[in-house]
Amino acid sequence: DTGVSQDPRHKITKRGQNVTFRCDPISEHNRLYWYRQTLGQGPEFLTYFQNEAQLEKSRLLSDRFSAERPKGSFSTLEIQRTEQGDSAMYLCASSLVGARSGNQPQHFGDGTRLSIL
Amino acid sequence: KQEVTQIPAALSVPEGENLVLNCSFTDSAIYNLQWFRQDPGKGLTSLLLIQSSQREQTSGRLNASLDKSSGRSTLYIAASQPGDSATYLCAVRRNTGKLIFGQGTTLQVKP
Repeated sequence: DTGVSQDPRHKITKRGQNVTFRCDPISEHNRLYWYRQTLGQGPEFLTYFQNEAQLEKSRLLSDRFSAERPKGSFSTLEIQRTEQGDSAMYLCASSLVGARSGNQPQHFGDGTRLSIL
Repeated sequence: KQEVTQIPAALSVPEGENLVLNCSFTDSAIYNLQWFRQDPGKGLTSLLLIQSSQREQTSGRLNASLDKSSGRSTLYIAASQPGDSATYLCAVRRNTGKLIFGQGTTLQVKP
């Protein structure tokens, strides 16, 4: 069990640029979640996938944000035309949900810290 | 709309004390509740998960309780150590899968 892996750990970019983050979940996990956390706050839900299907998106996920999980394994989160307000820690989590496995806890990666100059 | 509140926002205790962190939520229709630990600049480490049908869970020096009807959970830490210093977050899960987090309690345990 290698845990949830996120890349890169840090990203600094200029306002208006596009950025893409990657998340590799725990291998047998069928659900993958994206959250955003700003300083001093708890994480806020952005979206989640079950296998390759995107099942829910938060209103926080404006049309500049897009997430994919093409083969039901790793996921990418892209932000287009970044703004100052996008500066945050982007966290990925995964879990195993099913009839036999029941309801397992979500396991988080170390996040990608995005800084917009 | 589900809201999660954690009190206190910060706590400082001497080493060896037993302590209680509080979490409250406004909608009792939860699937489960999870407690996490977060070290500065790091992701979240899952500590305990309590299903909606359970009253408590224990792991080592940690004990979490859940009272769904009153919308409360507590995390009890016995014999606190400096290594316990971190931010503790509680999160509730609805049947949709997403977690709704409180703002966290930042704990400092002084040697």
